[in-house]
Amino acid sequence: GQQLNQSPQSMFIQEGEDVSMNCTSSSIFNTWLWYKQDPGEGPVLLIALYKAGELTSNGRLTAQFGITRKDSFLNISASIPSDVGIYFCAGQPPAGAGSYQLTFGKGTKLSVIP
Amino acid sequence: DVKVTQSSRYLVKRTGEKVFLECVQDMDHENMFWYRQDPGLGLRLIYFSYDVKMKEKGDIPEGYSVSREKKERFSLILESASTNQTSMYLCASRVRRDTQYFGPGTRLTVL
Repeated sequence: GQQLNQSPQSMFIQEGEDVSMNCTSSSIFNTWLWYKQDPGEGPVLLIALYKAGELTSNGRLTAQFGITRKDSFLNISASIPSDVGIYFCAGQPPAGAGSYQLTFGKGTKLSVIP
Repeated sequence: DVKVTQSSRYLVKRTGEKVFLECVQDMDHENMFWYRQDPGLGLRLIYFSYDVKMKEKGDIPEGYSVSREKKERFSLILESASTNQTSMYLCASRVRRDTQYFGPGTRLTVL
């Protein structure tokens, strides 16, 4: 089946630094989604991307849908302590077999040092 | 705002008990999903439903069943709970193939 490689697995950064993480796939997706999960909580949707090349911002967060449709990145600018958590990417395959299911990355655990 | 709610945040059950996990969404979404999340294994799809009374097995359906009698409600049933079903259970919903929203999760412990 499809797999998503998300990197890095974990990051330790100083407060105020910018953060970048990405996901790559062996096959194309029609939609890329980025979620953040706090400990003991469900994932919260941060950004949704629907077109190849699309660049979307949500406050200090910016995400892009790769032009090949096989990758996406998420940037966080000027990190703050509440950015701590696990960030997941997810891809929606094109219509057809398995298209109801999202494919998820394994997550990037972000730690912010005050 | 989209709202997906789950009946319990924390649940403790004994081996062999029948367990019901309820999920409700208020956005008239067609598709609903049940996942479990375990350290090192990520999110794994148990079952999903693309419409009322319709259900499809996900990647790990063994030991689980589901019910969707109304569009807004999707229930996960553990017929006879076992210790290896101790996990975080996440419900999600979405319109067709669009964006997916998660509930807050239920942390289930089976003793």
